Amino acid sequence: DAGVTQSPTHLIKTRGQQVTLRCSPKSGHDTVSWYQQALGQGPQFIFQYYEEEERQRGNFPDRFSGHQFPNYSSELNVNALLLGDSALYLCASSSGPLGEQFFGPGTRLTVL
Amino acid sequence: AQTVTQSQPEMSVQEAETVTLSCTYDTSESDYYLFWYKQPPSRQMILVIRQEAYKQQNATENRFSVNFQKAAKSFSLKISDSQLGDAAMYFCAYRSAGNNDMRFGAGTRLTVKP
Repeated sequence: DAGVTQSPTHLIKTRGQQVTLRCSPKSGHDTVSWYQQALGQGPQFIFQYYEEEERQRGNFPDRFSGHQFPNYSSELNVNALLLGDSALYLCASSSGPLGEQFFGPGTRLTVL
Repeated sequence: AQTVTQSQPEMSVQEAETVTLSCTYDTSESDYYLFWYKQPPSRQMILVIRQEAYKQQNATENRFSVNFQKAAKSFSLKISDSQLGDAAMYFCAYRSAGNNDMRFGAGTRLTVKP
């Protein structure tokens, strides 16, 4: 049984570019949440997708957007990248919006 | 807004000894969940233990147990018989019962000495 998977593992972009990160949930899960973890800090909630809709959003600007597909996988898009967007981006899946969250290994994004 | 505070950036323990990691939180809600997650160098967050606020009994998972003091808004993690594999970042997290986002503390780096 595959757990939560994320791609790519690492990514390097320059300021102003756009990036797309991908997440496949654990088998049987239908909800995906995204978190940003800056170096030396705890993860911060970006948003959650359930039934292909954004259900809740944290304190992040509109440059951060997402999508959930019919197979429950999800994408996180960040436009107009800033240096401060450099972080580990974690995806977590759950069975339902309030279910226990299982995390993926994350994508390390570096913005130069 | 709910906040989670971990006042110990780093902790160290001798193998086979016991260590306690501290966590306090601030909330005006009565129904919520508390979690301890472990994040090893592989970066994957692993759930160690969870506590429902409405339960008075402290949660226990093998060598891991919590001391949940609801009135004091304190949620500490005790690791007994520490093992080398316990070395990692430990994050305390809070989630409201009716809310989807989880609030994390800044983490405590645990080192286990052989």
